[in-house]
Amino acid sequence: ETGVTQTPRHLVMGMTNKKSLKCEQHLGHNAMYWYKQSAKKPLELMFVYSLEERVENNSVPSRFSPECPNSSHLFLHLHTLQPEDSALYLCASSQEGRGEKLFFGSGTQLSVL
Amino acid sequence: AQTVTQSQPEMSVQEAETVTLSCTYDTSESDYYLFWYKQPPSRQMILVIRQEAYKQQNATENRFSVNFQKAAKSFSLKISDSQLGDAAMYFCAYKQGGSEKLVFGKGTKLTVNP
Repeated sequence: ETGVTQTPRHLVMGMTNKKSLKCEQHLGHNAMYWYKQSAKKPLELMFVYSLEERVENNSVPSRFSPECPNSSHLFLHLHTLQPEDSALYLCASSQEGRGEKLFFGSGTQLSVL
Repeated sequence: AQTVTQSQPEMSVQEAETVTLSCTYDTSESDYYLFWYKQPPSRQMILVIRQEAYKQQNATENRFSVNFQKAAKSFSLKISDSQLGDAAMYFCAYKQGGSEKLVFGKGTKLTVNP
């Protein structure tokens, strides 16, 4: 048990589907993150929530919609995705502060057909 | 914008031997933090070691140590007495002080041969 749980572990969806990724942290942290990991590319920061407010939106297309209802839960709502959105989506949490380390979940492997 | 470069896409080491993974970064800031993360096949990123830029002393965690050369903007990871369980992707990452953004390199795949 890592403290950060992501569901589902795998997801296959068509381009017209709507789905959601879920992340839950049990560490008492107050910041949560979504990262995208594509093959042969660095991890890309998508969104950051600090104290349940979005503080970073890294030029992510609107077909990705984050939601942070409380400090323990983070969602990524997906709709009308493209095949190039296929990737591993990683959630992380941290205690807001200078240089605090991130704790990651095991990710959702997303395939868009 | 800050960038992190890992010039070795793949490395291999014999069990019980020592290996060094390279990382360079580019920043004009003086207040920042550097990290090495490990990602095994389970996909979960795990922190290996962390270094504050203002500290001259190199961080050490058991068999893992870093060689932090601030002027050269270099942050290499040394793994001593390599074990089969060390096989994974290793990512170098940078975080500016006061920012929530962690910038990663492309990673180095480490293979440990028995």
